[in-house]
Amino acid sequence: GAVVSQHPSWVICKSGTSVKIECRSLDFQATTMFWYRQFPKQSLMLMATSNEGSKATYEQGVEKDKFLINHASLTLSTLTVTSAHPEDSSFYICSARRLGGNEQYFGPGTRLTVT
Amino acid sequence: GIQVEQSPPDLILQEGANSTLRCNFSDSVNNLQWFHQNPWGQLINLFYIPSGTKQNGRLSATTVATERYSLLYISSSQTTDSGVYFCAVSDSGGYQKVTFGTGTKLQVIP
Repeated sequence: GAVVSQHPSWVICKSGTSVKIECRSLDFQATTMFWYRQFPKQSLMLMATSNEGSKATYEQGVEKDKFLINHASLTLSTLTVTSAHPEDSSFYICSARRLGGNEQYFGPGTRLTVT
Repeated sequence: GIQVEQSPPDLILQEGANSTLRCNFSDSVNNLQWFHQNPWGQLINLFYIPSGTKQNGRLSATTVATERYSLLYISSSQTTDSGVYFCAVSDSGGYQKVTFGTGTKLQVIP
């Protein structure tokens, strides 16, 4: 149990376009989901915390208008990178916390390349 | 925010050797998890261990919350253990914000 999926697993887009990444908890309900970004050879940096039915909480330095997060249900959160630029190229990883639990379960990640 | 430091940053082991990875954190935490990130980027849950000791096969972990550190032990290492090991802690705030450590890159050579 506790499987989290992400889609797509990798995406290449042109500069100026928008990309949507989905994060789903497949076999459990998640009131809280987290979005992370990881640059090569670096650790994971929390971008935002997403709670079902409410606005996401963004970390300092993360532009909320550029990284739109929607947590529409207890099993789905989406991250939309708007007007993507090459510097947005990164590995984006989501995680989900089970309703009433403390552990986080991570998705397989989405590798975004902006050309 | 909480600072999380891991040591060593890099480690090369001969297959069959044992190792200890350390995670130090700067403040009280609610939760602590250890992860293994494989070469494809997938994060694998190893342990959820806010305190105490757990074992799973060749791996074991100990967290001493009062002294703000956790240790991950790998025994009889195998080449498939290669990758980056992260610890991640959650603070006591409402959302239990998670902070990842700096990571230990492990290479096990045959």
